[in-house]
Amino acid sequence: EPEVTQTPSHQVTQMGQEVILRCVPISNHLYFYWYRQILGQKVEFLVSFYNNEISEKSEIFDDQFSVERPDGSNFTLKIRSTKLEDSAMYFCASSLMGGNTIYFGEGSWLTVV
Amino acid sequence: SQQGEEDPQALSIQEGENATMNCSYKTSINNLQWYRQNSGRGLVHLILIRSNEREKHSGRLRVTLDTSKKSSSLLITASRAADTASYFCATDGGANSKLTFGKGITLSVRP
Repeated sequence: EPEVTQTPSHQVTQMGQEVILRCVPISNHLYFYWYRQILGQKVEFLVSFYNNEISEKSEIFDDQFSVERPDGSNFTLKIRSTKLEDSAMYFCASSLMGGNTIYFGEGSWLTVV
Repeated sequence: SQQGEEDPQALSIQEGENATMNCSYKTSINNLQWYRQNSGRGLVHLILIRSNEREKHSGRLRVTLDTSKKSSSLLITASRAADTASYFCATDGGANSKLTFGKGITLSVRP
């Protein structure tokens, strides 16, 4: 069964460093998303991406965050200068169409020290 | 804003029993989706129910949706120890709309 894959599964980084989290969405999907889950808390929406541009973003997704689809398969989330409070599980997700089932990857644990 | 809120927050049952989990939300929705998350793992999609649907089945899962009460329930029949996980409902407001998750329900199924 097709799945969303994410790398790395776990990354430890020093505060202030840049981090890039990578995702390969399901191949024929058109909508891409990033969500995050701070330990013990709700899953929170960060950003959605369609037709090579951001379609919606949350208040969390400030100027320190950016997304890119550099080629036909990868979808990346970059955090320019990480803060301690960025420590969380980051989930990539994709869907074929808007309003359809959204499939999530296994997540990337980010620990900022 | 839309918000899925599940109850109970934690549920412990014996293997073989049925587990019922509820979700309420605040505003109009297009779809409601249920997900399962094993500890420290990803979100596994279970079932999607659209706002014009009242009930859906998938294997041992039964989901109902009552848009007049802004609530949904997830029933897992004949539970197994492997069903032990956190369960989340998530709502969206339309095409290309973000999912808003609840806090989740921790289900423990005792063997």
